[in-house]
Amino acid sequence: GESVGLHLPTLSVQEGDNSIINCAYSNSASDYFIWYKQESGKGPQFIIDIRSNMDKRQGQRVTVLLNKTVKHLSLQIAATQPGDSAVYFCAENRANNAGNMLTFGGGTRLMVKP
Amino acid sequence: DVKVTQSSRYLVKRTGEKVFLECVQDMDHENMFWYRQDPGLGLRLIYFSYDVKMKEKGDIPEGYSVSREKKERFSLILESASTNQTSMYLCASLNRGNTIYFGEGSWLTVV
Repeated sequence: GESVGLHLPTLSVQEGDNSIINCAYSNSASDYFIWYKQESGKGPQFIIDIRSNMDKRQGQRVTVLLNKTVKHLSLQIAATQPGDSAVYFCAENRANNAGNMLTFGGGTRLMVKP
Repeated sequence: DVKVTQSSRYLVKRTGEKVFLECVQDMDHENMFWYRQDPGLGLRLIYFSYDVKMKEKGDIPEGYSVSREKKERFSLILESASTNQTSMYLCASLNRGNTIYFGEGSWLTVV
């Protein structure tokens, strides 16, 4: 079936470097994408979102890029800090007659080395 | 502050027991979701509800049912718990702006 998936299960970066986490999706009807961060023992926390009519959106130290041609989503974290260590999930939203349905990718673990 | 509350953080149940996981949100959201999270599999949608008494199957509904009698409460029910339902369960609700709010999760162990 259609799904959202992540390319790399684990990403290790040096503190201060930039991080890029990638996500592929296969449903062209998806109109909204979200990145979440999940720390150990906690529920996912919203980081940044982007609608399908946009290519790029910037937040504080984070940027999300959307390439609809190749159905690819990425999360860029600038100057990665130890507190960024977590699992990151991308999610896609599809609105249908039943409401909004959010499906998630498998997650990428980001490890920040001091 | 918006809040999604899952009543039980940690549960241990025996195989065959009936299990209720309760979720309450105080934001008057129509959409609510139940996910389970397993290592390497990410968040998988079990059921969701877009209104009171309305429910829709997600990707893995087998072995589960749900109840939405009031707008603020969405319950996940395991009629007869099995060991393969040992997992972390996350409830979420979604506002009209498509921002989703998660609960802290319920860790269920079935022995």
